[in-house]
Amino acid sequence: DQQVKQNSPSLSVQEGRISILNCDYTNSMFDYFLWYKKYPAEGPTFLISISSIKDKNEDGRFTVFLNKSAKHLSLHIVPSQPGDSAVYFCAAKRIIQGAQKLVFGQGTRLTINP
Amino acid sequence: EADIYQTPRYLVIGTGKKITLECSQTMGHDKMYWYQQDPGMELHLIHYSYGVNSTEKGDLSSESTVSRIRTEHFPLTLESARPSHTSQYLCASSESWDRGKMETQYFGPGTRLLVL
Repeated sequence: DQQVKQNSPSLSVQEGRISILNCDYTNSMFDYFLWYKKYPAEGPTFLISISSIKDKNEDGRFTVFLNKSAKHLSLHIVPSQPGDSAVYFCAAKRIIQGAQKLVFGQGTRLTINP
Repeated sequence: EADIYQTPRYLVIGTGKKITLECSQTMGHDKMYWYQQDPGMELHLIHYSYGVNSTEKGDLSSESTVSRIRTEHFPLTLESARPSHTSQYLCASSESWDRGKMETQYFGPGTRLLVL
């Protein structure tokens, strides 16, 4: 039972345009959502997060939108740059047996074309 | 920025060998985690630790074991490696958290394990 899903394994965007990465979840108990970015041969690095009580969080070129009724979140990158080419993981946080746990999606490989 | 290290980065080993994957962090974080990730798949939590002498099983069953004798060190051991253990293993750490607050998990670069 996959609680966090990223249905697009890959996305290709022209440099300077907007990149939109999507994520769906099934569990209403998640209280935070996060995006991680991963380059080849490196571990994931934290990018941006949003609390379940918010619907938008912005940090520079990155904005995350949360639609709780649809159980959907998206990451917008604008303008997209070649250095944004990476795998992006959506993750959701909940408390289970007193421990804060992250549940990850499968990732979306973003390629920014010059 | 968190400093978290994993060694080896790549390991090719024969079936039946005992292996230990090392993970160290210099941030003094209480919480540490091990994830397993296959290509194109999600990260699965296999072990975590609240602090020294604390170890817990994660969401994905794993034949590996972990120990936490020192705050900065969280090694993962496979007593007898098998081809089914071939995967990427990612270590992470985070500070102690207050309920309702967001903690950020910082990841190491990972160890790619290939068992022949």
